[in-house]
Parts: sequence; structure tokens; C-alpha cells
Amino acid sequence: EDQVTQSPEALRLQEGESSSLNCSYTVSGLRGLFWYRQDPGKGPEFLFTLYSAGEEKEKERLKATLTKKESFLHITAPKPEDSATYLCAGGNNAGNMLTFGGGTRLMVKP
Amino acid sequence: DTEVTQTPKHLVMGMTNKKSLKCEQHMGHRAMYWYKQKAKKPPELMFVYSYEKLSINESVPSRFSPECPNSSLLNLHLHALQPEDSALYLCASSQEAGLTGNTIYFGEGSWLTVV
Repeated sequence: EDQVTQSPEALRLQEGESSSLNCSYTVSGLRGLFWYRQDPGKGPEFLFTLYSAGEEKEKERLKATLTKKESFLHITAPKPEDSATYLCAGGNNAGNMLTFGGGTRLMVKP
Repeated sequence: DTEVTQTPKHLVMGMTNKKSLKCEQHMGHRAMYWYKQKAKKPPELMFVYSYEKLSINESVPSRFSPECPNSSLLNLHLHALQPEDSALYLCASSQEAGLTGNTIYFGEGSWLTVV
């Protein structure tokens, strides 16, 4: 059974304090590891897709990386507006169905 | 801004009411999805439509009835819901279903409260 686990569940950072969010996965025939950002009461906003181990993608203060067993979302010098829940999801080879992790709630204090 | 539009944003309904949630996308995507999300939980897949045909029903109770009138529109008809069905209902779309690596784009969601 496909499984995606995110850690930590919640993370409090001071503005400017860099850190990483972890996403461990066991997805049969992984066909894409997806990162989304979700603000309270809103739908998930697509951030990145990673397809193969060693791949990296960046967007502003965010950088996503992928190994054979996990993905990291690195946040460099975060700002309060980066506060949100970050979801990762694995797409399997059974047809683009996503298995979501539980999410990491990030709070960045000024 | 998301290109998947959902209406209404908020809906309060009684357990005997019939209501519908609507979703529209203009990205030319051929796969559309309904997800349900409870507070502090990840989205859970309910239905998948591929080329306007229902391809996946994740054992959803019959009080939820999906409909795909055309490739741009997706509805979720609600009838005789229970208070535990209160949640954020998310519509999503992707270029294709069943193709690997397709990105799924979500709408803003419809908040449903059943009283």
C-alpha cells in the first residue's frame, strides 16, 4: 500500500530562520512527487513536481529535492507570508492517483 | 490565481435539502476530480472523471452524486447529507487521468456545513 509521511507535523520558525520539511514515501512505481501549499480555508496551490532522484526545483525561498526514499522542502530565510500547510503527495503508476501526506503546518513569526 | 473555479464558496444545508456544488475549468484538461478535506487532514479522493466519463468512485455514499455535463464542467449533487459530511470540497483537474506525472490543479474549494 502506498504511503506518504510528512514531518514534523508543525514547525514554528522565526523570520529568517531557515529549515527543511521532510516527506518520506513508499509509492509503487513513483510517477511524480508533488508539493503543494495550502492556506487556511483555501485549496492546495501547486508548487513543484519532482520525477527522479537527484532532481531539484526552486521557487523564490523554496527549494524541493528528491531522493529514492524522501523529499525535502527547504525554506531559506522564511517570511511570515510563508506560513501555511505544506502538503506532499506521491503519484503512482496506477494512473495519476495522489497519495497525500498529513502535511506540515509552518508558522513563521516576525 | 487558480484556473479551477468553484461555486458556491460557502454552503449551509439541512439534512433533507438537495443542493449542488459546481466546478469549471478552462485549461482544456480532460480529467476532473472531487476531493473531500476535513480540518487538519489531507484531501481524500472521491471521484475521477476522464473524458467526461466516471472512471473512479472511491466507495462514496450515494448521497453524493457527481455529474460531468461537458469537459469543462463538473457538478456534485448533494442529497440527504449527514452532519459528518461537513467539510471542504475541492474540485481539481489535470491534463489527463492515467498519464504519469500529470499535475493536478485544485480550486479554492466549497465549504459545506450540514445542519
